[in-house]
Amino acid sequence: GQNIDQPTEMTATEGAIVQINCTYQTSGFNGLFWYQQHAGEAPTFLSYNVLDGLEEKGRFSSFLSRSKGYSYLLLKELQMKDSASYLCAVSSYGQNFVFGPGTRLSVLP
Amino acid sequence: DGGITQSPKYLFRKEGQNVTLSCEQNLNHDAMYWYRQDPGQGLRLIYYSQIVNDFQKGDIAEGYSVSREKKESFPLTVTSAQKNPTAFYLCASSRPTGAGYDEQYFGPGTRLTVT
Repeated sequence: GQNIDQPTEMTATEGAIVQINCTYQTSGFNGLFWYQQHAGEAPTFLSYNVLDGLEEKGRFSSFLSRSKGYSYLLLKELQMKDSASYLCAVSSYGQNFVFGPGTRLSVLP
Repeated sequence: DGGITQSPKYLFRKEGQNVTLSCEQNLNHDAMYWYRQDPGQGLRLIYYSQIVNDFQKGDIAEGYSVSREKKESFPLTVTSAQKNPTAFYLCASSRPTGAGYDEQYFGPGTRLTVT
């Protein structure tokens, strides 16, 4: 089966940098996705990693190490609107797309 | 504009009644999914379908049923057998790639309250 772990909550200050970690265990790894979900809304896609390394997209970057079963989402120049839950999800061959429990990020002024 | 629609946004039902949540997509995606989300929790997979006229149970299928008669549509019925049906229900779709499935696109969700 698959197992995904993320911290439950994090707090950071406006303008700062925050790193949200995700660890996973799976066989037949086929990609890792990060989604942002504001309260009461649907998740929206942020990033996708299938090879080791860093993918940068504006203020957001995502890193993957397949050998360690580890990823992180890096958010720079935090804004109040970044307060949301961040979901890590893993795609594996022959298995369902599995979401982690999500990390609730609070950005304080 | 391509996307996924779910209706209604809010739904109220009395205990003991079946209720069907609709999900329609015009993205031409083969795969469709239903998730349940409880307050402060992650997404849990109820059912998924990779092709028309075929679907599989997810992790929490008990008390739910689905159909996939058309590529565009994947309705979910919450039956009276579901013990705790009050939740936020999300429908998603994705397309197959050469090695699996692409990112999932989500509908706006339906918040079901059963009293």
